[in-house]
Amino acid sequence: DTGVSQNPRHKITKRGQNVTFRCDPISEHNRLYWYRQTLGQGPEFLTYFQNEAQLEKSRLLSDRFSAERPKGSFSTLEIQRTEQGDSAMYLCASTRGGAENEQFFGPGTRLTVL
Amino acid sequence: RKEVEQDPGPFNVPEGATVAFNCTYSNSASQSFFWYRQDCRKEPKLLMSVYSSGNEDGRFTAQLNRASQYISLLIRDSKLSDSATYLCVVTPGGFKTIFGAGTRLFVKA
Repeated sequence: DTGVSQNPRHKITKRGQNVTFRCDPISEHNRLYWYRQTLGQGPEFLTYFQNEAQLEKSRLLSDRFSAERPKGSFSTLEIQRTEQGDSAMYLCASTRGGAENEQFFGPGTRLTVL
Repeated sequence: RKEVEQDPGPFNVPEGATVAFNCTYSNSASQSFFWYRQDCRKEPKLLMSVYSSGNEDGRFTAQLNRASQYISLLIRDSKLSDSATYLCVVTPGGFKTIFGAGTRLFVKA
């Protein structure tokens, strides 16, 4: 399977715990996005990487959120001191080339914070 | 005002009907426009890009009106399999991508 993969697919955690999600983009794609989606809403932009450089972060991304893409391949999204409001689907997408190109999404990681 | 706003749904239409969705965007400098489709509990997938000249792909037609800052999606001869959420997507410049909240379509036999 050469699509975007995300792990884990589901994560249940208690409030205050830290969680980390992983995204493996399509291998030749140099651009990677993270989104958050809640019920009844579209994906909400969180951050963007071009190769290993994080070029844009949403101001909605609090200091509890951090993302990395250390070698320009896979990426991780960490949420520290989780809150119930962090419960959502976290989607990763990758693309090659510019913003005019199709983004290919992974299946997402569903986070539930109890 | 939201950066991207879509028609509130849901749209309930019979098979064979023609249905149109509209989407408005607030940033006049926006550069790229798309319609994505999202099935229940699945990830979004590109349906079509929207070009200034408009474009058509089978039963689907997308149009862009830069002056009025809206894009539209027309689905002709609706099929049961068209039932999904349709997401309007805009890149306002820079690296952000903005999705609308989506419009749900139910096509009934």
